[in-house]
Amino acid sequence: EDQVTQSPEALRLQEGESSSLNCSYTVSGLRGLFWYRQDPGKGPEFLFTLYSAGEEKEKERLKATLTKKESFLHITAPKPEDSATYLCAVRVNSGNTPLVFGKGTRLSVIA
Amino acid sequence: DAGVIQSPRHEVTEMGQEVTLRCKPISGHNSLFWYRQTMMRGLELLIYFNNNVPIDDSGMPEDRFSAKMPNASFSTLKIQPSEPRDSAVYFCASSIRQGARSYEQYFGPGTRLTVT
Repeated sequence: EDQVTQSPEALRLQEGESSSLNCSYTVSGLRGLFWYRQDPGKGPEFLFTLYSAGEEKEKERLKATLTKKESFLHITAPKPEDSATYLCAVRVNSGNTPLVFGKGTRLSVIA
Repeated sequence: DAGVIQSPRHEVTEMGQEVTLRCKPISGHNSLFWYRQTMMRGLELLIYFNNNVPIDDSGMPEDRFSAKMPNASFSTLKIQPSEPRDSAVYFCASSIRQGARSYEQYFGPGTRLTVT
């Protein structure tokens, strides 16, 4: 069974305190790893797609990396507005197919 | 760009009643996904459509759930009869192939369903 596990479940940071969120996966075949941000009461918002081990993507204070077994979302010098739940998902079949999601990491950044 | 539109945003109903959730995907997108989110299980796929055709409904929990996509711009998810354990947030997402590998899914704001 394809599985995605995110850790930690919750993370509390001081403003400016850098850290990383982890997404480990056990899948039959990886056709893409996706990171989403979800704010309370809203739908997930797309951040990044990674396809190959060694690939990296950056957006503002966020950088996503991928290995053969896990992905990290690095947050550099976070601000309170980065507070949200970050979801990791994988696509295991080719084509425009559904995603398998982890349960997310709830990030709180305190000023 | 209006994004994915869902209605209603909130629905409170009594056990046994019929519930219909609606979704309008992003114009031009040819795949549509219905997901359900709960604290215990996170986001789980219910059913998805490609070019208005249901491809995989193995995530639909019971025969009480049904989904249709009569055209490229509209889909419904119906629960009949509803039960308290159906309480969750239901999301619709749409996507289209972009280039050789990119299939980002764009989510709507969700419908929060409460069954009492």
